[in-house]
Amino acid sequence: AQSVTQLDSHVSVSEGTPVLLRCNYSSSYSPSLFWYVQHPNKGLQLLLKYTSAATLVKGINGFEAEFKKSETSFHLTKPSAHMSDAAEYFCVVSDQGGGADGLTFGKGTHLIIQP
Amino acid sequence: SQTIHQWPATLVQPVGSPLSLECTVEGTSNPNLYWYRQAAGRGLQLLFYSVGIGQISSEVPQNLSASRPQDRQFILSSKKLLLSDSGFYLCAWSVGLSYNEQFFGPGTRLTVL
Repeated sequence: AQSVTQLDSHVSVSEGTPVLLRCNYSSSYSPSLFWYVQHPNKGLQLLLKYTSAATLVKGINGFEAEFKKSETSFHLTKPSAHMSDAAEYFCVVSDQGGGADGLTFGKGTHLIIQP
Repeated sequence: SQTIHQWPATLVQPVGSPLSLECTVEGTSNPNLYWYRQAAGRGLQLLFYSVGIGQISSEVPQNLSASRPQDRQFILSSKKLLLSDSGFYLCAWSVGLSYNEQFFGPGTRLTVL
């Protein structure tokens, strides 16, 4: 069984300051982990993915995430927030024990960027 | 490159009316296909997935159904819409093993009045 918990439903930061979106997971197998971003009334776009290679994963738009097995975490970070980063972010886990429906989505974190 | 299309983009329907949402994928063969619903302020709920033509798995009981008449076409239907069917419907595809990433379409905003 697998699950994912996004620890904050809303995060507010000022433009130009760092972003941290927290995600913890549980998995019975070696997991793959993903972060997706969703702008209002749009589909989900893949930001980055971890699939058992390097533990620090770099994605699009300056985002990166670090896989920490000991902490079962996969937090998303960005050094400097931009107004265009305002969106909903989903942490997603999948493990090799799943079927074709093997992705489990977190409930999402709404990122607010203050000018 | 692969692309995924959904239509219509928005839809307003009365309670009790039928529904048909369509999703097509281009640039790949034999994809896994998925329908999700996203209600206001909530996460994604997987409704159906398909690993091949005519093969549909349902995740939750409801008055919706899905069909896959062609390899890259996935249709979501209802005979009679309920108010609770309102939401944002997303189609997605993936290739290969279940733990690969999924790629999402632009979504359909359905409002049932």
